[in-house]
Amino acid sequence: SSELTQDPAVSVALGQTVRITCQGDSLRSYYASWYQQKPGQAPVLVIYGKNNRPSEIPDRFSGSNSGNTASLTITGAQAEDEADYYCNSRDSSGDSVVFGGGTKLTVL
Amino acid sequence: QVQLVQSGVEVKKPGASVKVSCKTSGYTFTSYGISWVRQAPGQGLEWMGWISAYNGDTNYAQKLQGRVTMTTDTSTSLAYMELRSLRSDDTAVYYCARGLYDSSGSSRMDVWGQGTTVTVSS
Repeated sequence: SSELTQDPAVSVALGQTVRITCQGDSLRSYYASWYQQKPGQAPVLVIYGKNNRPSEIPDRFSGSNSGNTASLTITGAQAEDEADYYCNSRDSSGDSVVFGGGTKLTVL
Repeated sequence: QVQLVQSGVEVKKPGASVKVSCKTSGYTFTSYGISWVRQAPGQGLEWMGWISAYNGDTNYAQKLQGRVTMTTDTSTSLAYMELRSLRSDDTAVYYCARGLYDSSGSSRMDVWGQGTTVTVSS
């Protein structure tokens, strides 16, 4: 079992806002990073640190943190945002790195 | 641009070993680490470990300790991941990624290879 917990599936209407969450004790000490993975493709980093985006990631993607929860928000979801999203952080001991179980995002 | 290009498909028998390579380009190899992540069919991502390309320090996932070895060759900007005593549940796509820890100690993997499919079957 993962030390980071994500909802298995979330859906959002086209153009609306969706929040994907990741819970774990280690998130009180470390920031999460977020990855988007489309079928048959390698993951892509979309958010890291307090709320940082690689330059090629659209600004509709943002991140936030509160207590033991990290969140990825997509403001104005597009059809191309339909994908699996994984959070990632150090584990509670700080000695290792873990992924959440992933959230499948469906854009309706 | 930063690129990580991995070696090709591997098919192995149970008990054998596999060594996957990851050729990097477009950045100073020794300024970053390399993380390895795998994904079994239909499953999520699993972190396998990390190696510093600067000094060779490694940090392996506990469940793989004793079976996995990660190395780098700074003269060719290549990283390698060897997994021994293969079992059927090692069947997965294996990814290398440029891995780093920031000043807060938080980790991220900012550029990924295309993945290498490893199938373990008798």
